[in-house]
Amino acid sequence: DAGVIQSPRHEVTEMGQEVTLRCKPISGHNSLFWYRQTMMRGLELLIYFNNNVPIDDSGMPEDRFSAKMPNASFSTLKIQPSEPRDSAVYFCASSLQGSNTEAFFGQGTRLTVV
Amino acid sequence: TQLLEQSPQFLSIQEGENLTVYCNSSSVFSSLQWYRQEPGEGPVLLVTVVTGGEVKKLKRLTFQFGDARKDSSLHITAAQPGDTGLYLCAGKGRGSGTYKYIFGTGTRLKVLA
Repeated sequence: DAGVIQSPRHEVTEMGQEVTLRCKPISGHNSLFWYRQTMMRGLELLIYFNNNVPIDDSGMPEDRFSAKMPNASFSTLKIQPSEPRDSAVYFCASSLQGSNTEAFFGQGTRLTVV
Repeated sequence: TQLLEQSPQFLSIQEGENLTVYCNSSSVFSSLQWYRQEPGEGPVLLVTVVTGGEVKKLKRLTFQFGDARKDSSLHITAAQPGDTGLYLCAGKGRGSGTYKYIFGTGTRLKVLA
């Protein structure tokens, strides 16, 4: 298996533009997580999906952020409009639902908003 | 809100030295995981500890879960340059929200040859 695949790896955009990050989880995994990592705040959970349904989006910073999972093999995280403070590395992770299961992370998308 | 504090934040040591990284919280966790993250990559799971007082070994790495399941430690014996990376602990809560792991602040380790 290729693991969790994220695209793009790097994104540079101007303030106010829409940004869409993409994630393909590991086949067969039914839990998907979006995280944001910064030096100041570390690794923060933004949203969690189970069986394609958003279960917990309490970590989404504000209405400018939205996430979808139209099917078991694809998820998107959208920021509209983007702001410089959104600059961070965004990770997608997937796992099998259950106690103490391992979360497999993608390589991340480094977003820079100028 | 469950918070996990890791110490030290940064650690630079010579090859062959021993070190211990700590992960502390005021909350009780049902389980705790340790991950290592290398530059440009996502975190990779090293170990999961579940029982209070549990000790697990992974080659030169020894992980311990506190008796009260509020803290954990990672000890590396005879560190090597390949151990360089960001070490993250992640605690899983109890009750509602038990599906998610809360990540610690991280310890950035550099082992010099």
